[in-house]
Amino acid sequence: GENVEQHPSTLSVQEGDSAVIKCTYSDSASNYFPWYKQELGKRPQLIIDIRSNVGEKKDQRIAVTLNKTAKHFSLHITETQPEDSAVYFCAASNQGGKLIFGQGTELSVKP
Amino acid sequence: DVKVTQSSRYLVKRTGEKVFLECVQDMDHENMFWYRQDPGLGLRLIYFSYDVKMKEKGDIPEGYSVSREKKERFSLILESASTNQTSMYLCASSYTGEQYFGPGTRLTVT
Repeated sequence: GENVEQHPSTLSVQEGDSAVIKCTYSDSASNYFPWYKQELGKRPQLIIDIRSNVGEKKDQRIAVTLNKTAKHFSLHITETQPEDSAVYFCAASNQGGKLIFGQGTELSVKP
Repeated sequence: DVKVTQSSRYLVKRTGEKVFLECVQDMDHENMFWYRQDPGLGLRLIYFSYDVKMKEKGDIPEGYSVSREKKERFSLILESASTNQTSMYLCASSYTGEQYFGPGTRLTVT
């Protein structure tokens, strides 16, 4: 079945720096790739997503890139702020609404 | 406003007990999901449902069952709780694409 690998598991950056989280997926039929942010003690919430007919999508300070050939996609956060500190999950989907999640990245932004 | 609720935020049960976790969504979503979340393992899919009375196994269904008698409600059942089922349980619903999560139930089995 589908497998999603996410790296790194922890990431620490200085405020204002950029952060990059990478994911690879195994099923070439996957066509939907969301990213979720989970703050401490809260539920995961969608921050950005991309479909397989698009190579890049941007929303203010966050962007996602997709390389279908290599089967990997990445989350880029620019000008990081302390409130970006959270656990980030990537996911992939190839059928209906079922998502397979990566293991998560704990991002710490130091002021 | 989107709303997914779960019956309990914290639950403590004894080994061997039958445990019911309930999830309710008010968005008329077809799809509902149960995950467990453990550090370093991400969100792992236990069961999901695309319609009333339909259910499909996820990646880790052993030791769990589900029930979906009404569209808005999806229940997770632990037939005989064990200590390795101590975890955070998250419910989610979707129409297509984005999944909306409940607040989670932290279950401790002693």
